[in-house]
Amino acid sequence: DTEVTQTPKHLVMGMTNKKSLKCEQHMGHRAMYWYKQKAKKPPELMFVYSYEKLSINESVPSRFSPECPNSSLLNLHLHALQPEDSALYLCASSIRDTYEQFFGPGTRLTVL
Amino acid sequence: GIQVEQSPPDLILQEGANSTLRCNFSDSVNNLQWFHQNPWGQLINLFYIPSGTKQNGRLSATTVATERYSLLYISSSQTTDSGVYFCAGLSSNTGKLIFGQGTTLQVKP
Repeated sequence: DTEVTQTPKHLVMGMTNKKSLKCEQHMGHRAMYWYKQKAKKPPELMFVYSYEKLSINESVPSRFSPECPNSSLLNLHLHALQPEDSALYLCASSIRDTYEQFFGPGTRLTVL
Repeated sequence: GIQVEQSPPDLILQEGANSTLRCNFSDSVNNLQWFHQNPWGQLINLFYIPSGTKQNGRLSATTVATERYSLLYISSSQTTDSGVYFCAGLSSNTGKLIFGQGTTLQVKP
């Protein structure tokens, strides 16, 4: 299995809602990542988990809260988002944090 | 300075044509990857190519690490090749994957 899965594929939420994005991989990778991508731009790194510990937080606003419950699963909890947070959210994983990264299909988020 | 730079930014081809995409990268960037982002947003791994040459079907890539560039060759292009091609490399300073701005390819039937 060489796949990273993400759910949901699409999400529409209001500014007062709380929602979560989920990412899963069963490749035995020990590094997992969240990226945010706006239209016509490259992905921007948000968070890195290495061996289930948060190793990089790119000064992301606290309305985004990552969680890594185990080595296969990565969540991104969303609360009180702004319309400018609408974007494609991509999850990735790699064997370790200096190796080739593999991306999931993304969650397209719209904040109303 | 610019860490990962791609050219051209946009490319329009007729189906069946060949093309070469270029990625220049700084001294502090290594372990190049090439991705294709399809119209649905999925980033598909094409090559992990820190150095040397690799081929996969109609696609091939060459990285000359000593000269800090990588090339992606697409031969006999098809409409399904359309999308955005990104190269990305790992920063030895920060450990982060640094993306270029992408090349948007449109293949016309």
